[in-house]
This record gives sequence, structure tokens and C-alpha cells, in this order.
Amino acid sequence: GNSVTQMEGPVTLSEEAFLTINCTYTATGYPSLFWYVQYPGEGLQLLLKATKADDKGSNKGFEATYRKETTSFHLEKGSVQVSDSAVYFCALSEPPRSGSARQLTFGSGTQLTVLP
Amino acid sequence: DGGITQSPKYLFRKEGQNVTLSCEQNLNHDAMYWYRQDPGQGLRLIYYSQIVNDFQKGDIAEGYSVSREKKESFPLTVTSAQKNPTAFYLCASSIYNEQFFGPGTRLTVL
Repeated sequence: GNSVTQMEGPVTLSEEAFLTINCTYTATGYPSLFWYVQYPGEGLQLLLKATKADDKGSNKGFEATYRKETTSFHLEKGSVQVSDSAVYFCALSEPPRSGSARQLTFGSGTQLTVLP
Repeated sequence: DGGITQSPKYLFRKEGQNVTLSCEQNLNHDAMYWYRQDPGQGLRLIYYSQIVNDFQKGDIAEGYSVSREKKESFPLTVTSAQKNPTAFYLCASSIYNEQFFGPGTRLTVL
């Protein structure tokens, strides 16, 4: 079956530090890959996505590149802000079997805290 | 504005009572989902529905039930058979390969 493994948190950084959150996956086919962000007490918001190998997703200064050879989709940001403090989830989605809804498989989430 | 609404935001119930969580979307999405989130853990799929009047069990369906009588609505009932119902519940809908999430309902069973 499919699975997603994220680096364990929590991660604590100072403002303007470089961020990397590692994500690797196992899938039987050719999945789409996602990063979602969850702020305290809220639902998940899509941060970025990539649908095929070597695609780079980017949004709000965050980037992640779909690496098929290493089955990875690491999240990076060059300079974090206090407002980036949240939980980050890596997820994958494979094309469904006929008649089924597409499902997401999530990693366990990484808590990021950015200190001023 | 299009989006997904969940109500209530906080819900308290006594042990042994059934409770229904509301999820409504006006995005015209066919597929809808319910997830459970426990502290420090990822999301686990409870039920999903591809179209009206059809739904499928996810990974942790025991103790839960759903209905899909309208495209816009996908309510979740947490029954007394659910052994540990205290959690954060998230509803989502999807188009193509992207899911959109509601703000969540935090259920506490006393």
C-alpha cells in the first residue's frame, strides 16, 4: 500500500532561518504529491503540489521538488517567519480505481515553531 | 464565497450518546470525505463519498455512520459504538486530485 514518512518534529527555528522538512513516500504507481499546512485550531490548507516527476511546487516562499529517483518531496523555505509556525503535512494521491474517489495518504505531520 | 463549512466548531457530549457533525460545501464537488485527527498524528480516513447516495468505508469506519442525500451535504454520526470518540474531525471535498478542507469540529466526550 501507499505510505508517507515525514521527519519527526517538533522543529524550532529562529526567524529568517532556512527550513527543510523531509518527506519520502511509497506508492505503487505515479502519485501526485502535496504539502498541506494546518494553523492552530483550523483545517488544512493546500500549500503546494506537484503532479509528476521533476515538477517543482511553490507558494508563499515554500518550495518542494518531486524526486522520483529518491521518492522524496522535501519542503524548503529560505527564510522562515513567525507566521509560518504551524503543522505541515506531506501527502500523496494516486489515480483511483474506476468508480472510486481519489484518496489522500498523509504523513504524521511536523510541528514547526519559529521564534522571533 | 465558495467553501466548506463545518458545524459546530466545538461539541461536547456525554458518553453513550450519538452525535452528528455537519459538513456542507458549495464548491459543486462530487467527492466528499471525513477524517479524524488525534493529537500529534496525521489524518485517518473515516468515510468517503464519490456521488450522492453512495459512500465507502475508510480505514477507521467502525463506530461511525454517514449519509449523502444531497451533493452539498455529508453529515457524520459518531455513535455510542465508537470507543474513543474525542478527536478533531475534518471534512473535505475534492475535484480532480486536490482536496479542500473545512475548519473542523472538535468533539469532546465527557
